[in-house]
Parts: sequence; C-alpha cells; structure tokens
Amino acid sequence: NAGVTQTPKFQVLKTGQSMTLQCAQDMNHEYMSWYRQDPGMGLRLIHYSVGAGITDQGEVPNGYNVSRSTTEDFPLRLLSAAPSQTSVYFCASSRQGSEQYFGPGTRLTVT
Amino acid sequence: DQQVKQNSPSLSVQEGRISILNCDYTNSMFDYFLWYKKYPAEGPTFLISISSIKDKNEDGRFTVFLNKSAKHLSLHIVPSQPGDSAVYFCAPGGSNYKLTFGKGTLLTVNP
Repeated sequence: NAGVTQTPKFQVLKTGQSMTLQCAQDMNHEYMSWYRQDPGMGLRLIHYSVGAGITDQGEVPNGYNVSRSTTEDFPLRLLSAAPSQTSVYFCASSRQGSEQYFGPGTRLTVT
Repeated sequence: DQQVKQNSPSLSVQEGRISILNCDYTNSMFDYFLWYKKYPAEGPTFLISISSIKDKNEDGRFTVFLNKSAKHLSLHIVPSQPGDSAVYFCAPGGSNYKLTFGKGTLLTVNP
C-alpha cells in the first residue's frame, strides 16, 4: 500500500512552458485534492474532486487544470507556467468525513 | 479574509514541558477539526481530530480541546519531545470534504 504518490519530486520550468504534476492513490478514496504551499501562507486548495469525472475549483484555481478519469489518478496541469506558480504542490486523498492523506510534494520552480 | 487563524507563527518549549498550540476560526459551519504535523521536505501527516459535538479528544501525549462558543481550539502536547519539532497546521472541515488550513505554527522543542 503506497498511499499517495507524486511525481516528479522536483521540477524547473521556464516561463510559458507546460507540464503535468502526477498524483496517484491506492486507497480507493473518492476525494482527491491539490494544494500549494507558499512561505507564510499555509496550504491553499487549488482544485479538488469528489469522484471520477467530477472536479471543482478551490481557493486558487487560476492557471491550473485538472481531470479525474479514474478513482486512482488526479493530475494537475500547468498550461503556461508563470513565476508566481513557483511553490510546493501537495496532493491529498480521503474518504468522506475522514482525514486527508498527503503525498510527499512536488517542488516547482518557474524561472 | 482568513477563516482559520493560527496567531503564533512560532513556539519554543523545553523538552518535557507542555506545548500549547492555538487556532481560531470564523466559519460556524465547520463540523470537524483536524491537526496536521509537517516536517521539512515532507507532506503533512494527520495527528489528531475532534468532532464539533465533542469538547476534548485525547490520543497519547496529544489532546485537542474545542470551544465552539469561542470558535477556538487548541492542541496540547505533554510531555513535549524534540521529535515533536515541526510545523503544526489547524485544518477545520465541513460536509463537503474540503479542509481550510491555517498558516501553521512552528514548534521547536529544545533538549
């Protein structure tokens, strides 16, 4: 049971490049979410999904797209990276009403 | 407008003493409250939770107290150990799976 896995661990992008951050969970959780953590800002919700085929925006969705074609996977896409998207990104999953399990994070730098 | 406030960015205590971390919230729709612990370069890990119908929950050295009328909760760690040194996040949630994170408190336990 690997829990929540994220790839890559580190990434450097140039402004305007696109990329996809991968997230997978093997706990059959219906809920998955993406957060970003910036210094002094706590964790802010980007997008979330309550099940396959269902996604919704969180607090800071601009510049990011998501899709949920399977229960296990919830990729986060940056279509045109900007320096303001330099951050640490965490994926999480849970069942309804229970604690969220977090992945180890992806540290993204946009130059 | 911050719905969840952790007003102490940092806290330093001596090993063996009590650590008290505080959290205030404004949204009366929150019905469960979680505490997460985060070490550098790792994802947050769930520590302890409390339902809105309770005022105390204890798990070993960790106790969470909830005062709904004051919209205040606190995490007590006793006795504190050097391995408890981490950032602690308060994260209330409601019926929609979503958690709202505070900005965190950095706890340092000195040997």
